[in-house]
Formats: sequence, structure tokens, C-alpha cells
Amino acid sequence: QKEVEQNSGPLSVPEGAIASLNCTYSDRVSQSFFWYRQYSGKSPELIMSIYSNGDKEDGRFTAQLNKASQYVSLLIRDSQPSDSATYLCAVNGGGTYKYIFGTGTRLKVLA
Amino acid sequence: DAGVIQSPRHEVTEMGQEVTLRCKPISGHNSLFWYRQTMMRGLELLIYFNNNVPIDDSGMPEDRFSAKMPNASFSTLKIQPSEPRDSAVYFCASSLGLGGSNQPQHFGDGTRLSIL
Repeated sequence: QKEVEQNSGPLSVPEGAIASLNCTYSDRVSQSFFWYRQYSGKSPELIMSIYSNGDKEDGRFTAQLNKASQYVSLLIRDSQPSDSATYLCAVNGGGTYKYIFGTGTRLKVLA
Repeated sequence: DAGVIQSPRHEVTEMGQEVTLRCKPISGHNSLFWYRQTMMRGLELLIYFNNNVPIDDSGMPEDRFSAKMPNASFSTLKIQPSEPRDSAVYFCASSLGLGGSNQPQHFGDGTRLSIL
């Protein structure tokens, strides 16, 4: 059974701090990795994608991928109260368009 | 550009009734996905299509659920007969699937379904 694991949280950080969200996956042939943000009552919104080992930065967001250790993380710098949401990790295996989603980590940024 | 469009946004109906959810993917996208989200089970993939052909329906919970994609711009998810445990938010997503390429999926606003 292919799995994607996330800590459900809530993860609470003060405004301006760095929020670190982690995700591990079980399928070694996974090739593509995505982070989605979901506000309460809304649909998932893509914020980052990463395909190769290392870091990928986009504004205040940095995605980190380590295929050898089978984890992917998302760092949010200068966290704002508007970043408070559930963050979903999604993993795509080779040869399929199917994602496996984690159950999400709820982030609370305290003003 | 228009995103993924789902209708209705909300549906409340009585147990035993037929429910039809509709989805229009992003123009040019050739992969379409139906998900169900609940607090208990999170986001579950029900079925996905590539080039209008169902590829994987292993997530469809039982025979009461069916999905069709008659053309590249329209898909339906039908529940007949509906049961209270089908109450959830149903999302449709689409992506541009190119061979082995893994393009991001883009989600519609969802349909909040309540079966009484």
C-alpha cells in the first residue's frame, strides 16, 4: 500500500517565524511531489511542485526533496496569519497520473 | 483563463435519491480526476480519466457510484441510490497529462453534498 504520511498538527508558529512542514512517502519510484494549501471550506490550491533532489524556492516558500530518505518538506519564511491553513503533500509515482495525498498538516500562525 | 468548473456547489437531498455532480475541466487538459474529501478519510481519489477514457476506478466505493466523460470538456459523477454516508465534499481536478510527465492537478471549488 503506497502511503504518504504527514503530522496532522496543529503546528503553531508565531508571526514572522519559519514554519516547517514535513512529509514522508513509501513508494521509492515516486517522481513528482506537490504541496497544496487548503483553507477551511475551500479547495486545494497548488503552491509548490518539486521533481529533483534539493531545494526549490518561490517567494517565501521553499520545497526540499530528499529521495534517498523519502521525504519532502515545505518551509514558509516570515509566516503570516494568512498562511494559516491545512497543507497537503501529494506524491506521484512513475507511469501514472495518479496522486497519493497525505492527510494534511494544519498550520496556525499566531499574530 | 477559466479554472475547473463544478456544479452544483451545494446539494442537499434525501436518502435514496439520485445525485449527479458535474465537472468542466480546464480547456486543453486531458486528465480528469474525481476526489471525495471527509474529515475522517481525507482526500480520496475515486476515479481518473485520461483522454476521456477511465484509467483507474479502484477508488470508487461501490456500484452505486458511476462516472462518465463523454467528451473532453465534461464529466459526471453519479450516485444512485444515495446514502447518508456519501455526504462529503466532492472535488474535480484536471491536469495536462503528457506521457510520463507529471503536471500539477488543478482543483475546482467542489460540491458539498449532504444526504439526509
